[in-house]
Amino acid sequence: QQPVQSPQAVILREGEDAVINCSSSKALYSVHWYRQKHGEAPVFLMILLKGGEQKGHEKISASFNEKKQQSSLYLTASQLSYSGTYFCGTENSGGSNYKLTFGKGTLLTVNP
Amino acid sequence: DTAVSQTPKYLVTQMGNDKSIKCEQNLGHDTMYWYKQDSKKFLKIMFSYNNKELIINETVPNRFSPKSPDKAHLNLHINSLELGDSAVYFCASSQDAFGATEAFFGQGTRLTVV
Repeated sequence: QQPVQSPQAVILREGEDAVINCSSSKALYSVHWYRQKHGEAPVFLMILLKGGEQKGHEKISASFNEKKQQSSLYLTASQLSYSGTYFCGTENSGGSNYKLTFGKGTLLTVNP
Repeated sequence: DTAVSQTPKYLVTQMGNDKSIKCEQNLGHDTMYWYKQDSKKFLKIMFSYNNKELIINETVPNRFSPKSPDKAHLNLHINSLELGDSAVYFCASSQDAFGATEAFFGQGTRLTVV
């Protein structure tokens, strides 16, 4: 089941903050966040695991609410380089048939 | 030194042809994947291999056949190409198959079927 991301798009000025949300209709084992710039490959940002463990970048933070089956990505003091499409990927089983299902993406544009 | 490399980067071909995309990773990862990204940017998993063994095979036409000669390589062969196969195909790898480690993506292969 594909996770739902919101908003679909957001436009910021440099220095502003943004929150991108991701929700699943099924119980989550892990949530992954990736950023994709136009014409490039998705690049890893963050993993949040059931039980609270997080792995990711210093300047980007995220939350994972297991009960609500939701995750949010927090981008603070945005920079021009933050522009791109942000994807959340959810994994529901935690087993050896790991399958990351991506949302439709959130297009983030940071203007000077 | 590229971690996950795909060839070719661009592929333009006629309907009905057969084509292959190659992928190699030098990260020592156990798991490799093929994803398809359509024109609306939807990233959908197609196949997943763990230590050369197929572990995920999504609802993909059997014209698509992955092959993993060793755990560092995962190739994708497509028979009888159709217009709807036009998309960007990404290869990716991760350390394990349990969803707890990051995936590294190749630069993608833009396939255009005319």
